Parts: sequence; structure tokens; C-alpha cells
Amino acid sequence: GAVVSQHPSRVICKSGTSVKIECRSLDFQATTMFWYRQFPKKSLMLMATSNEGSKATYEQGVEKDKFLINHASLTLSTLTVTSAHPEDSSFYICSALQGYSGNTIYFGEGSWLTVV
Amino acid sequence: AQTVTQSQPEMSVQEAETVTLSCTYDTSENNYYLFWYKQPPSRQMILVIRQEAYKQQNATENRFSVNFQKAAKSFSLKISDSQLGDTAMYFCAFMTGNSGNTPLVFGKGTRLSVIA
Repeated sequence: GAVVSQHPSRVICKSGTSVKIECRSLDFQATTMFWYRQFPKKSLMLMATSNEGSKATYEQGVEKDKFLINHASLTLSTLTVTSAHPEDSSFYICSALQGYSGNTIYFGEGSWLTVV
Repeated sequence: AQTVTQSQPEMSVQEAETVTLSCTYDTSENNYYLFWYKQPPSRQMILVIRQEAYKQQNATENRFSVNFQKAAKSFSLKISDSQLGDTAMYFCAFMTGNSGNTPLVFGKGTRLSVIA
């Protein structure tokens, strides 16, 4: 089946620094990717929809200047957490839509971010 | 806006027994898709089963089957012959079928424990 690779799986960074998380569709082209955040024992919270070649659409309450999303190619979307703070520590997971609506969405393995 | 409700935060079942996880949703659309995802401790999101709203026949995947009641907007998951490896969080999700780049909307999840 289709594979979505997310990297890094775990990252620790210092407060005030920026960290980039990559989401790649390995064997299909994904014009749309989604970024979620998941707090412990909670559901997935949509942060933004990433469309190839255009600006991301952010959900209400998500700071676009803090969570920078770039979808420069049909197989790669990146999430950059800028000026990270300890409260940004969380599990971030991406997903990619293969084909059009109704086709399967594939998830990356997720990334644990710890800000110290 | 669509909403997905999972009313059972936690459930447990004896190994080899059958368990049903409930899910209801709210939408004004007629064309949509419903999913059940499994999230084990590894946090990887695994697609369990999917149902197209226009199909009356309930989807089945080996030990997993759904009871899709469109009029009642209900989409329960039945797991037969439960196995220890079924222990995980289970998320019910909705996707509209009317647009090419809409994300999944998740319920809050049900934590299932299979007991030996």
C-alpha cells in the first residue's frame, strides 16, 4: 500500500529555537496533506491543510506565523515550529490524500516534539 | 460543520469475545465517507475499515464489520473474536465527499482493552 514517511520521529529542541518536521508521500503524489496535533490521551486536532503550490489553510486558533507549513512539491510538506516553547511539546502527525476526496488518506508515523 | 461523537471513552472485552464500538455523526450532506482508525501505543494510525455513504451494504474486513445506519447517522464498529493485538485507541472519522481536499473529522476516540 501507499506509504507516508514522517521525519524525525522524535526531536528535542531548546526553547526559542525552530524545528522542522517533514512529511513525504513515497509512492504517490499528494496534492493535499494535512497536519494534526495530538495531546496525550486525546484525539487528533487538525492544524492546517497543506496544498501543493499554494498557501496552507490554517484552522481557527492555530498561529500561522508559529507553525509554518510549506508544500513545495507533490511529495513533500514540511511543518516548522518557530520559536518553540515547552507548551508546543506534543505529537504531530501528517496525512496525505491519495487521489481525490473519498480515496484513502494515509498517515505518517508521527513526530514527538519535546521543547526543553 | 460536521461532528463525530464517540460516547464510550473506554471499553474492555475478553479475548475471543465480540465488542461493539459506537459512533454517531452529524452532517447535512448526502455524499460522504466514514472510517474507523486504530491507533496502537506506537501512535501509528491504521485504517481499519471504510464505508461509502451511498452504499447500503455494510463494509466488512475480516473480523471487523460496521453497522451503518444512514438515517440514524450511526456507524458502529464490531470486532469479532477479539485478539490481544486489538488493544488500542479507536477513532471514528468522517470525510465529506463533495470536495477534493477536505480533512478527516475525528471523534474523541474509544480506548479498547482486550483482556486475556
